[in-house]
Amino acid sequence: EPEVTQTPSHQVTQMGQEVILRCVPISNHLYFYWYRQILGQKVEFLVSFYNNEISEKSEIFDDQFSVERPDGSNFTLKIRSTKLEDSAMYFCASRRGAGEQFFGPGTRLTVL
Amino acid sequence: KQEVTQIPAALSVPEGENLVLNCSFTDSAIYNLQWFRQDPGKGLTSLLLIQSSQREQTSGRLNASLDKSSGRSTLYIAASQPGDSATYLCAVSGRGGGSYIPTFGRGTSLIVHP
Repeated sequence: EPEVTQTPSHQVTQMGQEVILRCVPISNHLYFYWYRQILGQKVEFLVSFYNNEISEKSEIFDDQFSVERPDGSNFTLKIRSTKLEDSAMYFCASRRGAGEQFFGPGTRLTVL
Repeated sequence: KQEVTQIPAALSVPEGENLVLNCSFTDSAIYNLQWFRQDPGKGLTSLLLIQSSQREQTSGRLNASLDKSSGRSTLYIAASQPGDSATYLCAVSGRGGGSYIPTFGRGTSLIVHP
């Protein structure tokens, strides 16, 4: 069964460094998302992406964040200058149409 | 702004019990509601999706209902098993500009003990 994959599973970085989190959505899906979940808190929407552009973004998704779909399979989230409060699980999700979203296993980002 | 509340926050039951998990939301103008399961340190597994025009969905031992007018959904788990132990999340996607952007509840942490 097709699934969303994410790499790496765990990323440790120093404050101020850039990180790129990678996702491979399900191949025939058209809508792509990034979410984050700070330990013990709710899952929060960051950004949605459709037709090679951002369709929605939350107030969390500030200028430090960017997304890209560099080829037909990958979907990336870049954080330019990480802060301690960026430490969280980051989930990628995709969906085909007006149906359910399928989530990846997440990347645990630890900022030291 | 949509607010999603899940009750109870935690639940511990013996194996075999039938369970009801509750989700309430403040804005009834929704596109759909999705129930997820999250195991510790893991991603979200989709369980059931209910479109706004539907009243319920069933998958195996799971049944989810939706009452838009009252802003409520319930997830019914029949004959619970230890393998059902996880956190169950409710996510509501609203209309308007963020039509498919889900708002999540905090979840119900379920432990089913043998």
